[in-house]
Amino acid sequence: AAGVIQSPRHLIKEKRETATLKCYPIPRHDTVYWYQQGPGQDPQFLISFYEKMQSDKGSIPDRFSAQQFSDYHSELNMSSLELGDSALYFCASSFGQGYNYGYTFGSGTRLTVV
Amino acid sequence: KQEVTQIPAALSVPEGENLVLNCSFTDSAIYNLQWFRQDPGKGLTSLLLIQSSQREQTSGRLNASLDKSSGRSTLYIAASQPGDSATYLCAVTAGNQGGKLIFGQGTELSVKP
Repeated sequence: AAGVIQSPRHLIKEKRETATLKCYPIPRHDTVYWYQQGPGQDPQFLISFYEKMQSDKGSIPDRFSAQQFSDYHSELNMSSLELGDSALYFCASSFGQGYNYGYTFGSGTRLTVV
Repeated sequence: KQEVTQIPAALSVPEGENLVLNCSFTDSAIYNLQWFRQDPGKGLTSLLLIQSSQREQTSGRLNASLDKSSGRSTLYIAASQPGDSATYLCAVTAGNQGGKLIFGQGTELSVKP
């Protein structure tokens, strides 16, 4: 069965650089969520999209932006990177905002800022 | 504001033991609760999804229960194996928070051969 695809798997950037993370949801899933997981931390919600519109916003810095495209894939853009942005970034997808069918997570992108 | 707590934070058991992981949440207005497994540095694998109207779900050696009124869920693992060693996270889909998942901090399980 198709899963949630995230790319790249690993990314190393220098401070003040820009990074773009991509997420391809399971076919026919209309909702995408982005989470950030620091070392030893539980995943923290960043932002979500439902039917290509932003549906909710969490603890996402102003330096980050995201969107969901017409094919339902999503991109998280991170600018002016800081050392503290080093983390695992997960994308999850669901059908109908997860109320009935739960969420499926991708394998994550490990971002290291040096 | 919904908060999710997991106890214990870490657990070490010998192989073959049955064990229970606990999860509690402060607001009973949830749509569902999901248990995940996470291996170190890896992604989240969904284990069980319990809708708010359900009391339990089973998959193989795993059984999850939900008592929405008391804000509690348990994950029961039967006949534990070293391959079960991982961090187990519970998360709720909160009814009034846009459908996002709110996670507990996880229980790190180690099963010794």
